[in-house]
Amino acid sequence: AQSVTQLGSHVSVSEGALVLLRCNYSSSVPPYLFWYVQYPNQGLQLLLKYTSAATLVKGINGFEAEFKKSETSFHLTKPSAHMSDAAEYFCAVSDRNAGNMLTFGGGTRLMVKP
Amino acid sequence: EAGVTQFPSHSVIEKGQTVTLRCDPISGHDNLYWYRRVMGKEIKFLLHFVKESKQDESGMPNNRFLAERTGGTYSTLKVQPAELEDSGVYFCASSQELRTEAFFGQGTRLTVV
Repeated sequence: AQSVTQLGSHVSVSEGALVLLRCNYSSSVPPYLFWYVQYPNQGLQLLLKYTSAATLVKGINGFEAEFKKSETSFHLTKPSAHMSDAAEYFCAVSDRNAGNMLTFGGGTRLMVKP
Repeated sequence: EAGVTQFPSHSVIEKGQTVTLRCDPISGHDNLYWYRRVMGKEIKFLLHFVKESKQDESGMPNNRFLAERTGGTYSTLKVQPAELEDSGVYFCASSQELRTEAFFGQGTRLTVV
């Protein structure tokens, strides 16, 4: 069985500050890991994914995440927050042997203060 | 190219009524998934179609939920009869092949009153 824990259902940062959204996973097999973003009134959009290549993954809009097997973590970061980054972010894990079925974390709502 | 489209975007129904949600995947995508997010909870997998066949329906909550994908194109998810706890956002996603990116629709917000 797989599970994902996102620490902090709400995170608030100032514009220009570092964004750090935490994700820890549990998987009995080597996982695929994903970060999705949901802007208001929109669907889920893939930010980035880890599929066993480089452990540091770069995504869209300046986001990146690092896969750390020893810590079972896949935290999402961005050096400098923009107002447009305000959204809800979801970490997800997929068992690469079970197709694309995704197990999601509870989501983290990011607020960016001017 | 059109993305994944879901209808309706919102639905408010009374307990005991029937509701049918529709998902049109990206053209050519054989894999279609349904997920649900109940208020305050995480997004949970419901089922997976490969073309018209149900590959995995382990996440379907009970027999009040019926999903179909006749002809392997669009899919419907029927809830009959609806209960209060069925309220939430229902997402559909599609992918061309397994282990390739799944594209999500905007979701249908279902409210059962």
